[in-house]
Amino acid sequence: KNQVEQSPQSLIILEGKNCTLQCNYTVSPFSNLRWYKQDTGRGPVSLTIMTFSENTKSNGRYTATLDADTKQSSLHITASQLSDSASYICVVSRMAGNEKLTFGTGTRLTIIP
Amino acid sequence: DTEVTQTPKHLVMGMTNKKSLKCEQHMGHRAMYWYKQKAKKPPELMFVYSYEKLSINESVPSRFSPECPNSSLLNLHLHALQPEDSALYLCASTTGWRGNYGYTFGSGTRLTVV
Repeated sequence: KNQVEQSPQSLIILEGKNCTLQCNYTVSPFSNLRWYKQDTGRGPVSLTIMTFSENTKSNGRYTATLDADTKQSSLHITASQLSDSASYICVVSRMAGNEKLTFGTGTRLTIIP
Repeated sequence: DTEVTQTPKHLVMGMTNKKSLKCEQHMGHRAMYWYKQKAKKPPELMFVYSYEKLSINESVPSRFSPECPNSSLLNLHLHALQPEDSALYLCASTTGWRGNYGYTFGSGTRLTVV
């Protein structure tokens, strides 16, 4: 079964600290993996996208890693800011005639001052 | 322009009303999507349009009626909705639906059915 699991479900950290979010997937055949940031009541905003051959990609204070052998990804946030409070969703794409997305349930991150 | 624009941002409608959600993109994307997202849940695919033709309907009730008048515009017509249809409705677009990296979401329409 094609699934994407994220951990932790929720996380609270102090402003300025770093954190790492995890994503494990069983999606096959794998096409690409994306991390999105979603504020409450708003649409997801793309942070990074990685294909099979890429094992790290950065976007400012966000760094995503991908281990396609173990089917794991992580999103590391450096020097967190209050505006980083949001849900972070891992989305894995597979090719089955057409591209299909499988969404994780997200990690709810709260940054406190 | 690298955005998907959705209007309205918020909509409250009665169960007997007819309303429409609108989605627009000017990135030249040829595939457009409607998703429904309930609170604290991942988005669920409803419809896919490819080159202005309906390609996928994920067994969505007929009270939701999609329309793609041209390659830049996607509508979702709503009629006789139920309170459980209250959700965030997201539009997305891609360069094509057979593999690409340009998956862009709009900011959504928050729909409340009373």
